Amino acid sequence: QSVVTQPPSVSGAPGQTVTISCTGSRSTIGAGYDVHWYQLLPGTAPKLLIYGNNNRPSGVPDRFSGSKSGTSASLAISGLQAEDEADYYCQSYDSDLSAFVFGTGTKVNVL
Amino acid sequence: EVLLAESGGGLVKPGGSLRLSCEASGFTFSNAWMSWVRRAPGKGLEWISHIKPNSDGGARDYAAPVKGRFIISRDDSKNTLYLQMNSLKTEDTALYYCATESNYYSGGSYYPYFFDHWGQGSLVTVSS
Repeated sequence: QSVVTQPPSVSGAPGQTVTISCTGSRSTIGAGYDVHWYQLLPGTAPKLLIYGNNNRPSGVPDRFSGSKSGTSASLAISGLQAEDEADYYCQSYDSDLSAFVFGTGTKVNVL
Repeated sequence: EVLLAESGGGLVKPGGSLRLSCEASGFTFSNAWMSWVRRAPGKGLEWISHIKPNSDGGARDYAAPVKGRFIISRDDSKNTLYLQMNSLKTEDTALYYCATESNYYSGGSYYPYFFDHWGQGSLVTVSS
């Protein structure tokens, strides 16, 4: 079973920067597959935040940025706002399973 | 505007069946790669199945936990995606989302990439 690991939670005060890590393996991120990020707010449809490691879809603020290196990736949220309090998931692909894989998810708390 | 609306969820006993629907609008459904993703209570997102356009052969794939029990299908005349769920287990309890898939082209073939539009989900509860 593929596991892509994220910290359960991260916290920051308004205006600060928080970073969420996403650690994969040789069959996922380490195999060269790109990483994508989603935001889940209660009661709403999941939203694509970052695709292809560091690209923002139209309408996503530039406070959100992504990066990838080796078997890991990260999402940074700068200028943290109360509306950023949500669950965030990374997603890649697993060549051993021939399946999409999601990270374990991270709850962002705005203090 | 892309809209995806899931329906058909509800309460079902273990061993029972249920069919989810996902009505799509705002894009050319017949050309779209489509997926089902679920989120169990207190757990993370889990991809469970996808289907390619009929023009691409209509190939289907399933995640191991649902293979042999769930069937994905599409009706392009109705712009609707389906998920037939059989032999349901308590661990299938989840919010089920349909999503459009973006893909990338490499070496003469298209490959699955990410999910660009999602519905709000349909809740399936499997309990006796």
